[in-house]
Amino acid sequence: RKEVEQDPGPFNVPEGATVAFNCTYSNSASQSFFWYRQDCRKEPKLLMSVYSSGNEDGRFTAQLNRASQYISLLIRDSKLSDSATYLCVAANDYKLSFGAGTTVTVRA
Amino acid sequence: NAGVTQTPKFQVLKTGQSMTLQCAQDMNHEYMSWYRQDPGMGLRLIHYSVGAGITDQGEVPNGYNVSRSTTEDFPLRLLSAAPSQTSVYFCASSYSIADTQYFGPGTRLTVL
Repeated sequence: RKEVEQDPGPFNVPEGATVAFNCTYSNSASQSFFWYRQDCRKEPKLLMSVYSSGNEDGRFTAQLNRASQYISLLIRDSKLSDSATYLCVAANDYKLSFGAGTTVTVRA
Repeated sequence: NAGVTQTPKFQVLKTGQSMTLQCAQDMNHEYMSWYRQDPGMGLRLIHYSVGAGITDQGEVPNGYNVSRSTTEDFPLRLLSAAPSQTSVYFCASSYSIADTQYFGPGTRLTVL
């Protein structure tokens, strides 16, 4: 079983819509959590860290539920430029575990 | 400030050949790592290093060697290439595991 599982999607949404998706992690010792964004055939880039209390960065909101071991990402007022693959990441000790990614396509 | 650089960008090898993928960073990061990315699999950790002279295995280390003689460089060596090593390879660096990982542009490797 993979340490981080994600719904691969794709999520196809119109501009302006809200889209949300989760990932689950299996290692309860995971200490830090992140969402990375990856555009087609490019390197991943940090979108945001995920804090226990939940956090927002503009139109993006991340939540962490340690009891159920899942992380969520919500995108409000979707833009065409939000089309990408979103990678969920859990860190423990000296290793990062990446999910396979959730693909979001925003259409005009 | 170049960030994380990787060479080559593309490489085609024949089964059994060896080669080294280069990775360098100019941000004075202690933590460096190598990943491979295959369709539907996500990024899988091959090897990582927490500082010069220290390396350790990740999730899929077989067939790969690394060394970290300087803070800046973290080369990945394929000992005897196999078709199963066809993949996109990313190098990353950061101050620590809990900090932002900065990825290089990747090396697309095909083994025939």
